[in-house]
Amino acid sequence: ETGVTQTPRHLVMGMTNKKSLKCEQHLGHNAMYWYKQSAKKPLELMFVYSLEERVENNSVPSRFSPECPNSSHLFLHLHTLQPEDSALYLCASSRDLDGWNEQFFGPGTRLTVL
Amino acid sequence: GDSVTQMEGPVTLSEEAFLTINCTYTATGYPSLFWYVQYPGEGLQLLLKATKADDKGSNKGFEATYRKETTSFHLEKGSVQVSDSAVYFCALSDLGAAGNKLTFGGGTRVLVKP
Repeated sequence: ETGVTQTPRHLVMGMTNKKSLKCEQHLGHNAMYWYKQSAKKPLELMFVYSLEERVENNSVPSRFSPECPNSSHLFLHLHTLQPEDSALYLCASSRDLDGWNEQFFGPGTRLTVL
Repeated sequence: GDSVTQMEGPVTLSEEAFLTINCTYTATGYPSLFWYVQYPGEGLQLLLKATKADDKGSNKGFEATYRKETTSFHLEKGSVQVSDSAVYFCALSDLGAAGNKLTFGGGTRVLVKP
């Protein structure tokens, strides 16, 4: 499998549940990202990892917890979410943090919080 | 801070019509500029990019020119097809910032009718 994959593609959870989103990239990249795409709002960068180290955390609530065990995998652990957290969560990767490098996006996980 | 403003959609066109999507930006450094496209049910794909003033990015019949004097990066296509129906995002990556951080516009939905 090539590119950036995300699982699950759709997730429905209650506010008391704990779930995790998974992202995997097969491109040999060193940087990975989580974005949130809500209706009628610009894409919001949530987290940036470079060589498994978190380099950016854009004031994201602690109910979102990222994990990057190696340069190919990125997780987003979710707990006690709110209905307003319902959105499309996109993972991306790039060769490194150089601004010229293209970011490759996965298809996203559509999250619904009831 | 950095920001990207693009025209709101939806933009509805007939096949073979001319498409323009306006994009303007503000940035503190010397940004690279990008257009990403999101087809239904998919993640974002890079459509084209330009890394310095007066550069023209082009791909799949789409073009955009980096205009520093007007801080713009308008997307154009001379003859659209039904398959061009998608959401288009203008974005910048500011080389003055820490790392490869993309700032996105709000997206413009384009619908091409046969």
